[in-house]
Amino acid sequence: GAVVSQHPSRVICKSGTSVKIECRSLDFQATTMFWYRQFPKQSLMLMATSNEGSKATYEQGVEKDKFLINHASLTLSTLTVTSAHPEDSSFYICSATGGQSKYYGYTFGSGTRLTVV
Amino acid sequence: QKEVEQNSGPLSVPEGAIASLNCTYSDRGSQSFFWYRQYSGKSPELIMFIYSNGDKEDGRFTAQLNKASQYVSLLIRDSQPSDSATYLCAVKTSSNTGKLIFGQGTTLQVKP
Repeated sequence: GAVVSQHPSRVICKSGTSVKIECRSLDFQATTMFWYRQFPKQSLMLMATSNEGSKATYEQGVEKDKFLINHASLTLSTLTVTSAHPEDSSFYICSATGGQSKYYGYTFGSGTRLTVV
Repeated sequence: QKEVEQNSGPLSVPEGAIASLNCTYSDRGSQSFFWYRQYSGKSPELIMFIYSNGDKEDGRFTAQLNKASQYVSLLIRDSQPSDSATYLCAVKTSSNTGKLIFGQGTTLQVKP
């Protein structure tokens, strides 16, 4: 089945530094990748949608200059949290799909637990 | 009104019983509907998806979709303690972005 590899699984960084999270689709071409954030005991909140070779589309309230998304190829998307602060500590999850037809499913990465100290 | 609504629970059922999880959505043009299971600290894993009215069965799981009522449900037969998790309903909306909108999730507790 479709597999999305997400790294790192956990990261602790100092306040003010930047952190990069990678998601790779291993056995299919991910035309679209989605980035979610999940705070404890809350649901997944969509941050942005990225299509290969295009600029990401951010959801309302998400700072595009703070959460940099790059989707340079059909198998790799990255999320960089710039100048991280403690309130950015969260569980970040990527999801990929091979198309926008209703018949295409979504595959999730294993998530990245970010802790900013 | 939230786009996708679920009762947060917790829903508690005894082992061996049927667990019924419900979800409503606001976008009448929504195309596909997904049920994910999420264990604490883990990423969601797909249980079932459905895009046609009616029932879809897969093992102990049955998804039910009623587009007229904008309602989708998940039935878990012969519930096991290992089914204890948060169940997320997700809807692919009518927008051409293909994005999934998630409900807040229902916590299921299956008691031995």
